[in-house]
Amino acid sequence: GAVVSQHPSWVICKSGTSVKIECRSLDFQATTMFWYRQFPKQSLMLMATSNEGSKATYEQGVEKDKFLINHASLTLSTLTVTSAHPEDSSFYICSASVGQDYNEQFFGPGTRLTVL
Amino acid sequence: GQNIDQPTEMTATEGAIVQINCTYQTSGFNGLFWYQQHAGEAPTFLSYNVLDGLEEKGRFSSFLSRSKGYSYLLLKELQMKDSASYLCAVMDSNYQLIWGAGTKLIIKP
Repeated sequence: GAVVSQHPSWVICKSGTSVKIECRSLDFQATTMFWYRQFPKQSLMLMATSNEGSKATYEQGVEKDKFLINHASLTLSTLTVTSAHPEDSSFYICSASVGQDYNEQFFGPGTRLTVL
Repeated sequence: GQNIDQPTEMTATEGAIVQINCTYQTSGFNGLFWYQQHAGEAPTFLSYNVLDGLEEKGRFSSFLSRSKGYSYLLLKELQMKDSASYLCAVMDSNYQLIWGAGTKLIIKP
């Protein structure tokens, strides 16, 4: 099946620093990649949708200048949390889909971010 | 607005059967997904229904009624490893996934 990887798996950083999370589709070319955030005991919250070579579409309430998304190729998307603060501590998950119908999203293993 | 409802938590016994319900109200419909998520891990795909009826896949089955805006996930011969959260998600007319809050399933010996 389709495999999506994320790096790093977990990261601890100081408040005010920036953190970059990579999402890669390993054995397929992803038309679209999605970035989610999940707080403890809550469901997934879609942050943004990105298509290769174009600007990401952010969900309402998500600051695009704080959460920078770059989708450089059909196999790589990056999320950069700029000037991270403790309230940004969360589980960040990416997923990728193939084709225009988005029949299935393949999820990466997630990145746990802790901001001190 | 768009809404997905599923129970917050359910408890079942090892070896038994459990049914997790999901009702939805969305702008259009392009399929309903069930995902399993163990604590601290990303969701894994279980099933996809776009037509009415029952889809069976091993111990797991998923049912859809589009006219009622209703689906259920049926888990048979429960095992301890089935303890997880089960997420219902509906793809709307814009092909965007609308997620339920998830149902935490607790399996007792």
